[in-house]
Amino acid sequence: EVQLVQSGAEVKEPGESLRISCKGSGYIFTSYWIGWVRQMPGKGLEWMGVIFPGDSDVTYSPSFQGQVTISADTSISTAFLEWSSLKASDTAMYHCARTIRDCIGGSCYLSRIDLWGQGTLVTVSS
Amino acid sequence: QSALTQPASVSGSPGQSFTISCTGTSSDVGSYNLVSWYQQHPGKAPKLLIYEVSKRPSGVSNRFSGSKSGNMASLTISGLQAEDEADYYCSSYAGSSTLVFGGGTKLTVL
Repeated sequence: EVQLVQSGAEVKEPGESLRISCKGSGYIFTSYWIGWVRQMPGKGLEWMGVIFPGDSDVTYSPSFQGQVTISADTSISTAFLEWSSLKASDTAMYHCARTIRDCIGGSCYLSRIDLWGQGTLVTVSS
Repeated sequence: QSALTQPASVSGSPGQSFTISCTGTSSDVGSYNLVSWYQQHPGKAPKLLIYEVSKRPSGVSNRFSGSKSGNMASLTISGLQAEDEADYYCSSYAGSSTLVFGGGTKLTVL
């Protein structure tokens, strides 16, 4: 079965570091982009950034640049989202999302998210 | 890079047809035929309904259709059913390998 399985819920204090994970299975992990999407409590979806595990090419949303680090380990077919110093405002559900990138005439574009992880709830509170 | 604009909430009766709008700019929706729509039920992960403005993935009901004119995209749901009650999000390619989502629309089936 093609799926993305995320790590479990986390409860952290402000200032702590955290890395959450997203493991792909049932498909060639290095052939698809993996993005991360934030959903704050009761709010909408926010695109954070994307990585191509095949070469670790990463693009961040300007809103999240410098706030988080996206990485991947192809040996375990897993993508990661990491914070070095959490804030209370980081409290949210985080979804990983397999993202389709199409190339036409030499130009490439992110087309759509065709597969979602189940989400990881991160709670930051003192 | 600002979020795409969607109505916060809409409501309709079973059997009705309904359209949700998604307004962007000439830097995202207006520049690319790469608008997607997602459905999210409470406590669940989003589900892809429409991609590349009007294409439906395998398994998605043909009651869902998409279109675009200029900087505005639309999702139409025909023959509204109780199970369609959910949050709906549009998304567009925004250049430089980035995506942007709309703020989301809560659809209530009366």
